Amino acid sequence: EAGVAQSPRYKIIEKRQSVAFWCNPISGHATLYWYQQILGQGPKLLIQFQNNGVVDDSQLPKDRFSAERLKGVDSTLKIQPAKLEDSAVYLCASSLQNTGELFFGEGSRLTVL
Amino acid sequence: AQSVSQHNHHVILSEAASLELGCNYSYGGTVNLFWYVQYPGQHLQLLLKYFSGDPLVKGIKGFEAEFIKSKFSFNLRKPSVQWSDTAEYFCAVTGQAGTALIFGKGTTLSVSS
Repeated sequence: EAGVAQSPRYKIIEKRQSVAFWCNPISGHATLYWYQQILGQGPKLLIQFQNNGVVDDSQLPKDRFSAERLKGVDSTLKIQPAKLEDSAVYLCASSLQNTGELFFGEGSRLTVL
Repeated sequence: AQSVSQHNHHVILSEAASLELGCNYSYGGTVNLFWYVQYPGQHLQLLLKYFSGDPLVKGIKGFEAEFIKSKFSFNLRKPSVQWSDTAEYFCAVTGQAGTALIFGKGTTLSVSS
């Protein structure tokens, strides 16, 4: 069974530039999550999708972050414009049933200079 | 507010030593509890989970955790650690209503051979 795919694995940009991350969940997993993990901290939820609908985006900084899952399968997370404090690993995860058993991708490490 | 607190930031042990990592949570209502592990260079993966029933749960690689409802705790234990247990360990909680996982800050375990 293929795992959660994420790209790119690494990205370095300057502040005020934009960046996009892509995630393809495990086939059949209806729920998709984007987490932000800053160095030394645990993952923090940015947004949760159920199929192509948003379940929870209460912690998503909507002035600069956006995410979509148009066809209920893969998803894109965008940051525009980026700030220094956005340097983090962006984790995508999916689950078959929304019980907390998540399958994580390898993450996309963003460095903002 | 819902939160997860992990007591130890960095634990250093010798092989064969016993391990206990503390985790306390603050969450109203019935919870599902998890420990996730991230080995060096790998993605986050589920170590063990508690939904209901026997409060002592067993996971992979000889790990176990005990849910003590009165103490809002879910401590992780292993009787004898191995060098290969070197990793970062995250405690996480979610409500049974399908809300997303909330993670603790993580504990880095270093095991010397």
